[in-house]
Amino acid sequence: GEDVEQSLFLSVREGDSSVINCTYTDSSSTYLYWYKQEPGAGLQLLTYIFSNMDMKQDQRLTVLLNKKDKHLSLRIADTQTGDSAIYFCAVLNTGGFKTIFGAGTRLFVKA
Amino acid sequence: DGGITQSPKYLFRKEGQNVTLSCEQNLNHDAMYWYRQDPGQGLRLIYYSQIVNDFQKGDIAEGYSVSREKKESFPLTVTSAQKNPTAFYLCASRGTSGNTGELFFGEGSRLTVL
Repeated sequence: GEDVEQSLFLSVREGDSSVINCTYTDSSSTYLYWYKQEPGAGLQLLTYIFSNMDMKQDQRLTVLLNKKDKHLSLRIADTQTGDSAIYFCAVLNTGGFKTIFGAGTRLFVKA
Repeated sequence: DGGITQSPKYLFRKEGQNVTLSCEQNLNHDAMYWYRQDPGQGLRLIYYSQIVNDFQKGDIAEGYSVSREKKESFPLTVTSAQKNPTAFYLCASRGTSGNTGELFFGEGSRLTVL
């Protein structure tokens, strides 16, 4: 079945860049997303990329998509302590009705 | 402001009791979803509804039930048949025309079985 995998933890120093990686299995996914979850709260969309794009930049965020390898990454430049959260990779399934989530990467930012 | 409201935020239940989690949205979205979140397992889909009076089972529907009598509301009942109900439950909604498929989430309900 459809699956999304990502590493569970990442620790960086404040000011460094963070790179969170994700792999997925559904090659027909049209939209791919990064969601952010603060402690004890729901998820909020951070950014997304359409499947016909290779890269998308939005201020400190850069999303790279390698469709051949089914690999998605999120780079956060100049990481701040306020960026500490869980980041979920997600893909919209082929039918367009279900979003498949990875397990989430917990980002720790050390001051 | 438009959004999704889940209640209660915290809920305690004794074994053998059914509980109902509320989810209301004023975004005029057709589709609504219930996810369960456990540590290290991400979000797993319980039920979803694409339109009023219709809903489908997700990946882990056993022990849960839903209804969709109104566009704005999609309550989830956790029944006594759910063997391990302690978890964080998230409700979400999505518009179904001309959009990027973004999900809008509520703040979640944390259920603890005593």
